[in-house]
Amino acid sequence: GQSLEQPSEVTAVEGAIVQINCTYQTSGFYGLSWYQQHDGGAPTFLSYNALDGLEETGRFSSFLSRSDSYGYLLLQELQMKDSASYFCAYRGYNKLIFGAGTRLAVHP
Amino acid sequence: DTAVSQTPKYLVTQMGNDKSIKCEQNLGHDTMYWYKQDSKKFLKIMFSYNNKELIINETVPNRFSPKSPDKAHLNLHINSLELGDSAVYFCASSQGIANEKLFFGSGTQLSVL
Repeated sequence: GQSLEQPSEVTAVEGAIVQINCTYQTSGFYGLSWYQQHDGGAPTFLSYNALDGLEETGRFSSFLSRSDSYGYLLLQELQMKDSASYFCAYRGYNKLIFGAGTRLAVHP
Repeated sequence: DTAVSQTPKYLVTQMGNDKSIKCEQNLGHDTMYWYKQDSKKFLKIMFSYNNKELIINETVPNRFSPKSPDKAHLNLHINSLELGDSAVYFCASSQGIANEKLFFGSGTQLSVL
């Protein structure tokens, strides 16, 4: 079958580092994407990993291990504005399939 | 200029009514989508169109009818609204079917009373 699993909630303090994990199960896999969605807002694209390894974009990094069917999003130097939901996603047949999302709460 | 714009932002209506949501993108993308996000924030694809052609219809009730008059527009008409249709509906677009980067509209919060 096809599935994506990620924790439902993560809590962290300002300035800390947090890792949001995502495991997937699918018969055909092209890569893993990450999206951010603030409350009341639209999902916005953060990153995409097609190959194994770490991709860094500013304070955010994303990692993929195809052999482990696993990826993560790493957020460094957390800020209050990073409080949002984060979704991992993979491409199915002509469509992007999203995980259930991880709600990140950043506290002072 | 907003890249993907959808209207209205809020829609409150009675059960049994018919309503439409409009979506337009000015990114020059070939592919457009409708996603439904329920109260648990689960994002589920409903339809995708590529160059005005329906590519995906994800077992959506036929009360939902998308229409793409051109590549830049994808509208969603819903007949005989039901309580369970209450959700946030997002329009999105991408450059090609296989592109991982989707651009989402701001969403339409539909409340069926």
